[in-house]
Amino acid sequence: GESVGLHLPTLSVQEGDNSIINCAYSNSASDYFIWYKQESGKGPQFIIDIRSNMDKRQGQRVTVLLNKTVKHLSLQIAATQPGDSAVYFCAVSNDYKLSFGAGTTVTVRA
Amino acid sequence: EAGVAQSPRYKIIEKRQSVAFWCNPISGHATLYWYQQILGQGPKLLIQFQNNGVVDDSQLPKDRFSAERLKGVDSTLKIQPAKLEDSAVYLCASSSRGGAHSGNTIYFGEGSWLTVV
Repeated sequence: GESVGLHLPTLSVQEGDNSIINCAYSNSASDYFIWYKQESGKGPQFIIDIRSNMDKRQGQRVTVLLNKTVKHLSLQIAATQPGDSAVYFCAVSNDYKLSFGAGTTVTVRA
Repeated sequence: EAGVAQSPRYKIIEKRQSVAFWCNPISGHATLYWYQQILGQGPKLLIQFQNNGVVDDSQLPKDRFSAERLKGVDSTLKIQPAKLEDSAVYLCASSSRGGAHSGNTIYFGEGSWLTVV
């Protein structure tokens, strides 16, 4: 099976600062990793993904880092904006099955 | 492109009653998923369909939950009889092919919020 955990359940960040959300997983055979954003009252929204043969991937204002040695991934959000306030989930795929962590609630302070 | 559609958005029922949720996936998506998300937790897969066949229902409480996707397009999830612990958001998701892997993004609907009292 797969256990997915987040290091911090909440994160408060000043608008304009960078945010870093961390996630740990248990199964070294996991091969695909996704970050989702879930705003209040909505379903999870795909942000960015990374395959196990990569260690970094960048999108628009977001970067995902993968460290397979310690089974850890992180999501970095540059210049955090009020619209980034949401719950962020990491999801880990093993044998095509997705396991979600509990989520980190990000609050952006004006 | 239209997203995953779900209805109803909100439902309040008494315990031991029944409820049904409907989902219409993104057009052309062969794989449909139902997830349960309890408040404060991440989504948990209940059942996965590939076209009209069940791929994985290992975490579906089959004594009270059932789901079908008869024509390989839309799907219905039913709970009968409901328990208090079934209060959750039921998320439908779809992807063009089966399973979570690179190049096969899983897209979620907005969810059906169930409260059992």
